[in-house]
Amino acid sequence: AQSVTQLDSHVSVSEGTPVLLRCNYSSSYSPSLFWYVQHPNKGLQLLLKYTSAATLVKGINGFEAEFKKSETSFHLTKPSAHMSDAAEYFCVVSDRNTGGFKTIFGAGTRLFVKA
Amino acid sequence: NAGVTQTPKFQVLKTGQSMTLQCAQDMNHEYMSWYRQDPGMGLRLIHYSVGAGITDQGEVPNGYNVSRSTTEDFPLRLLSAAPSQTSVYFCASRISGGTKTQYFGPGTRLLVL
Repeated sequence: AQSVTQLDSHVSVSEGTPVLLRCNYSSSYSPSLFWYVQHPNKGLQLLLKYTSAATLVKGINGFEAEFKKSETSFHLTKPSAHMSDAAEYFCVVSDRNTGGFKTIFGAGTRLFVKA
Repeated sequence: NAGVTQTPKFQVLKTGQSMTLQCAQDMNHEYMSWYRQDPGMGLRLIHYSVGAGITDQGEVPNGYNVSRSTTEDFPLRLLSAAPSQTSVYFCASRISGGTKTQYFGPGTRLLVL
């Protein structure tokens, strides 16, 4: 069975400081892992994904995430937060071996960016 | 391409009423899915389809029906709406394969009184 846990429901940072959004996953098979962002009253947009190639994945808008199998983690980071990064972020796992039909979303982390 | 489109954007229903949420995509994607989003719970999979004529249940299928007669369309039906179905509903599509990116529609906000 698959599951995903986002360790923080809210994260608040100051503009220009680093961002860390934490995600742990559980998967019986080889997982694909994704981070999506949702701005207020908008749909979801893919930030980045891990699909078994490089463990350090670079995404859009300066975000990156590192797949750590030993820690079953896929934390999202950004060196310097921007006001436009304020949004909700979702960590997502799907099982590659069974076609990824049943995608599991984390509960989300809301990022606040202070001026 | 319009991508994934959903109608309506907002709907108010009374308990017991039925309605259909529409979803269409013009990217020739085999896989389509419906999610509901509730505060503090992320998105939960309701039903999905891997191609025309093939559907299956997700995590929270009770109270919802789907069908897939064409590649483009994947409607979600509420047969008898309940207040617990108040939520924001998202449709998504992608090509086959678990590593592939899902493309989401803008969402339908449903209020059941």
